[in-house]
Amino acid sequence: SQTIHQWPATLVQPVGSPLSLECTVEGTSNPNLYWYRQAAGRGLQLLFYSVGIGQISSEVPQNLSASRPQDRQFILSSKKLLLSDSGFYLCAWGGDFSNYGYTFGSGTRLTVV
Amino acid sequence: GQNIDQPTEMTATEGAIVQINCTYQTSGFNGLFWYQQHAGEAPTFLSYNVLDGLEEKGRFSSFLSRSKGYSYLLLKELQMKDSASYLCAVRENTNAGKSTFGDGTTLTVKP
Repeated sequence: SQTIHQWPATLVQPVGSPLSLECTVEGTSNPNLYWYRQAAGRGLQLLFYSVGIGQISSEVPQNLSASRPQDRQFILSSKKLLLSDSGFYLCAWGGDFSNYGYTFGSGTRLTVV
Repeated sequence: GQNIDQPTEMTATEGAIVQINCTYQTSGFNGLFWYQQHAGEAPTFLSYNVLDGLEEKGRFSSFLSRSKGYSYLLLKELQMKDSASYLCAVRENTNAGKSTFGDGTTLTVKP
């Protein structure tokens, strides 16, 4: 079965510091991978998606970047965090033509102070 | 692009039935999903509709009308543990399979 791991669970970072969130998937190959952010009381905003190694598409201009160095690894980064980067970050696997929607990682609660 | 609307909040009584509506506008449609999200947790998949009609899964059912851009999630025999946010999401018809999410409906089940 497929599993998705995301870490860390919680992060408090000062403004201007760097960020690296990692997501890995097991039990599947060449998955579509996604990074979403959720502001308090809101829905999920798609930040980046990747359909293969080294292939990154950005949905909205922002202070973040993503990379996919390996088939089952998806990384979200920032060189200098802003207060507005605070939120709940979710990595997801799926998005092919299956009937089961996304499988999400457990999420990272990022607070920029 | 996609535009999805759903009510912000709903309240219902334990044991009752509640219907959560979702309307959408899309430039390319490849399925509508409902997810459940408890506070502080990641969403989990509940249901999927790609053709018109009703899909039933235990206490949960979901309906889709593509011509009306409309879906609903029906929860029967409500339990306290059903208190959560319910997210409607539309998947686009591309290889990337991206989904756009509504802002979610927070359901509170009261005794």
